[in-house]
Amino acid sequence: SQQGEEDPQALSIQEGENATMNCSYKTSINNLQWYRQNSGRGLVHLILIRSNEREKHSGRLRVTLDTSKKSSSLLITASRAADTASYFCATDRGSTLGRLYFGRGTQLTVWP
Amino acid sequence: DVKVTQSSRYLVKRTGEKVFLECVQDMDHENMFWYRQDPGLGLRLIYFSYDVKMKEKGDIPEGYSVSREKKERFSLILESASTNQTSMYLCASSFYRGGNIQYFGAGTRLSVL
Repeated sequence: SQQGEEDPQALSIQEGENATMNCSYKTSINNLQWYRQNSGRGLVHLILIRSNEREKHSGRLRVTLDTSKKSSSLLITASRAADTASYFCATDRGSTLGRLYFGRGTQLTVWP
Repeated sequence: DVKVTQSSRYLVKRTGEKVFLECVQDMDHENMFWYRQDPGLGLRLIYFSYDVKMKEKGDIPEGYSVSREKKERFSLILESASTNQTSMYLCASSFYRGGNIQYFGAGTRLSVL
């Protein structure tokens, strides 16, 4: 069953604009992760934010986490055409055993 | 770099055939996973394994089995392939002390005719 629910389902922007994707979840978590998937390929891990963190940066990526609202956002600044991909959030539902629960993803298209 | 290798990128099989999808990881990860991905449905977990010879059912195990005889290899078996098993299959592995970050293979696109 799905844990994360990303929105929007699809996002279309121009190069240079910022892209914001959101993720909501329903249970307690130890951490929340974001992954990227290029068309027809496997997922690639982008960033992990722990439940006691509120914000994390990695290059052009900024992730926020609000555990009171059970939500997270992924911001990609100054988007490039190469950022075109699907983006998924994943949570552990509070377990340390290793299983992750993925959302259905946001399809981001960045037009040159 | 962690490498997760799936044996085939594309596979075409006939209904009723027994199908083996192989996955190998080179980082001594304890955990390994098999997902299928279908448009609009996201990633659905079929089976996972925490250790050699250990397996746990995911959300959609029906019609599938798995084998993990060695730590680095996790095989997904379709006992009798059906057309509704046409999908993209993704293998992943993770190291529990690493925050359970999952590393994915490139995927196998299976078509069952």
